[in-house]
Amino acid sequence: DIVMTQAPDSLAVSLGERATINCKSSQSLLYSSNNKNYLAWYQQKPRQPPKLLIYWASSRESGVPDRFSGSGSGTDFTLTISSLQAEDVAVYYCQQYYDSAITFGQGTRLEIK
Amino acid sequence: QLQLQESGPGLVTPSETLSLTCLVSGDFISTTKSYWGWFRQPPGKGLQWIGAMSYTGITHFNPALKSRITMSVDTTQNKFSLKLTSVTAADTAVYYCARHEAIAMAACWFDACGQGTLVTVSS
Repeated sequence: DIVMTQAPDSLAVSLGERATINCKSSQSLLYSSNNKNYLAWYQQKPRQPPKLLIYWASSRESGVPDRFSGSGSGTDFTLTISSLQAEDVAVYYCQQYYDSAITFGQGTRLEIK
Repeated sequence: QLQLQESGPGLVTPSETLSLTCLVSGDFISTTKSYWGWFRQPPGKGLQWIGAMSYTGITHFNPALKSRITMSVDTTQNKFSLKLTSVTAADTAVYYCARHEAIAMAACWFDACGQGTLVTVSS
C-alpha cells in the first residue's frame, strides 16, 4: 500500500492569513506516461461528507473558491488556502489514486486562531 | 445533478454480514466514465477506502478488506451494493457510497458521495 502522511495533524490560523497543509506519499505519485500526479484533496466539515477540492494535485474542482490551490510533485504535496475564511474550518484529507488500492492521509484539522 | 443515497440496517450483529445499497439518480450507472465505490469513517477517525466497481464488473478493493468484500452493480435499478462479511466492532463506522472518476480502467478521485449511513456492529 502507498502510505500517505499529512502534516501537521492540526493547525490554527488567523482569519485572512495563509494556511498550508502538507502531504507526503511513501512512493512517487507521478505517472511518467502522462506527467500527472495522482493526488486529490478533500474538505470535510463537521457532520458532512467529504467534498472534492483538488485533483491531479493542482486542478481545482468546479465551484471551489480560488483561494484553494494545490501544488507539488512526486512524493511531496501542499494544499494552500491563501486567505482563511471562517467557513474553511474543516478537516482536510489527501488521497492517492496512483495505486489501484486508494489510500488517504490521516487528515489535518484546521481551526481559527 | 448526480445524487447518491445509501440505505441498509443501522445495526449488525458481530460475525454477521453488513449489507448496504446505494441508489444513484441524475446519471446512468452504466457509464464508462465512472467507478462506483464505498469508503467508511469510524466515529471520530479518518477516511478508509473500501473498494470500487465499474458497471462492467471490474473491481478494485482495499487489500485489508478484500477477503470479506463483495460488490455488485444493478444497472436495471441504477444502484450498487456492498456486502462485508464476518463483521466485528472494528467495522462500526459511517459508510459512504461515492462516484469515482474512471481513467484508463482505474478509479481515481471521487466527486460525489452520499450523506453517509452509520452502521453499528453490536450484539
